[in-house]
Amino acid sequence: DAGITQSPRHKVTETGTPVTLRCHQTENHRYMYWYRQDPGHGLRLIHYSYGVKDTDKGEVSDGYSVSRSKTEDFLLTLESATSSQTSVYFCAIFSGGNTGELFFGEGSRLTVL
Amino acid sequence: EDQVTQSPEALRLQEGESSSLNCSYTVSGLRGLFWYRQDPGKGPEFLFTLYSAGEEKEKERLKATLTKKESFLHITAPKPEDSATYLCADINSGYALNFGKGTSLLVTP
Repeated sequence: DAGITQSPRHKVTETGTPVTLRCHQTENHRYMYWYRQDPGHGLRLIHYSYGVKDTDKGEVSDGYSVSRSKTEDFLLTLESATSSQTSVYFCAIFSGGNTGELFFGEGSRLTVL
Repeated sequence: EDQVTQSPEALRLQEGESSSLNCSYTVSGLRGLFWYRQDPGKGPEFLFTLYSAGEEKEKERLKATLTKKESFLHITAPKPEDSATYLCADINSGYALNFGKGTSLLVTP
């Protein structure tokens, strides 16, 4: 199994509170991604990173920020959580190149009340 | 805008009844086409990556193929344990992975 872990795996919070999800990898892969998955929408890209301190927005980045200060960690922050951000969040890692495989973590289920 | 479209949305097969799932993409400068399997409550499980038209890859009862505009996931003689949602995604020149909405496959005994 690819060395990728997400924390926390489950979280319940209230509207307006800040939330940070962590993705940690032991593979030293360059690329890391945050997705959310909702019924009827599939997996949608929030933000991704192509190196330390190098990040870019995906299609649903509003209300989210990310940071990558070390190769192994990619943090997703909801500055002020809203009920529309209730979702399952997946992190993925990719080595890049023409032979790389892209692996997902087990997901973090976030409920915003 | 890059779009990935999967069809059908849902497919029900009898055990042993072979079929194919379709994934069409619009991105130019494709860097890769990925197939995943996802079981309920789990993260997507990597199956295949295809990089160039004409490429084929196989794993047990699954075979993935790629043309310039679409990819197929062929399932030969499926078993009930092949029931899952199958996802495809393309990766563009910026290494952003864009997913289709998936095909939900149910294989009945």
